[in-house]
Amino acid sequence: DQQVKQNSPSLSVQEGRISILNCDYTNSMFDYFLWYKKYPAEGPTFLISISSIKDKNEDGRFTVFLNKSAKHLSLHIVPSQPGDSAVHFCAAPNSGAGSYQLTFGKGTKLSVIP
Amino acid sequence: ETGVTQSPTHLIKTRGQQVTLRCSSQSGHNTVSWYQQALGQGPQFIFQYYREEENGRGNFPPRFSGLQFPNYSSELNVNALELDDSALYLCASSKEGGVDNEQFFGPGTRLTVL
Repeated sequence: DQQVKQNSPSLSVQEGRISILNCDYTNSMFDYFLWYKKYPAEGPTFLISISSIKDKNEDGRFTVFLNKSAKHLSLHIVPSQPGDSAVHFCAAPNSGAGSYQLTFGKGTKLSVIP
Repeated sequence: ETGVTQSPTHLIKTRGQQVTLRCSSQSGHNTVSWYQQALGQGPQFIFQYYREEENGRGNFPPRFSGLQFPNYSSELNVNALELDDSALYLCASSKEGGVDNEQFFGPGTRLTVL
């Protein structure tokens, strides 16, 4: 039972254009979402997050939009740069029993073409 | 400030053997979480250690066990290895076990079970 879903395994975008990565979730108890990117041979690194009390959060080139009624969020990267080429994961914390457990989607591999 | 480190980088074992993976948390962090990332999947939460006690566990059998030491470094032990245990094992550290603290990931240990 996948609680966080990323249905696009890959995405190719021209340098300078917008990249839009999508994520859906099923658990209505999730109230906070994070995006991570992962390069090969490195651990995931945090990009941006959003609380469910907001519908948008912006940080430089990165904007995350949250649609609670649709249980959908998206990460917009503009302009896309070759260094953005990585696997991007959507994640949500599940603070069951006082611990902080991240539930991840399967990831979307973004390729930015120079 | 030293980041999260993991050892070894790669490991090859045979089915039925036991393995120990190690993680040094980032300076000032007292919480360590372990994740398993199988090929083509997102990281899956194994368990978390907070101040040397297990503080939450995912859907993994008891042959996955762990320890946290007084310096907050941690070990993941897997007994009776199975072929499906082949994966990237990621360690993440954070300041406290709660939801508002960012997790910083290490580069991972790639385990291959033959």
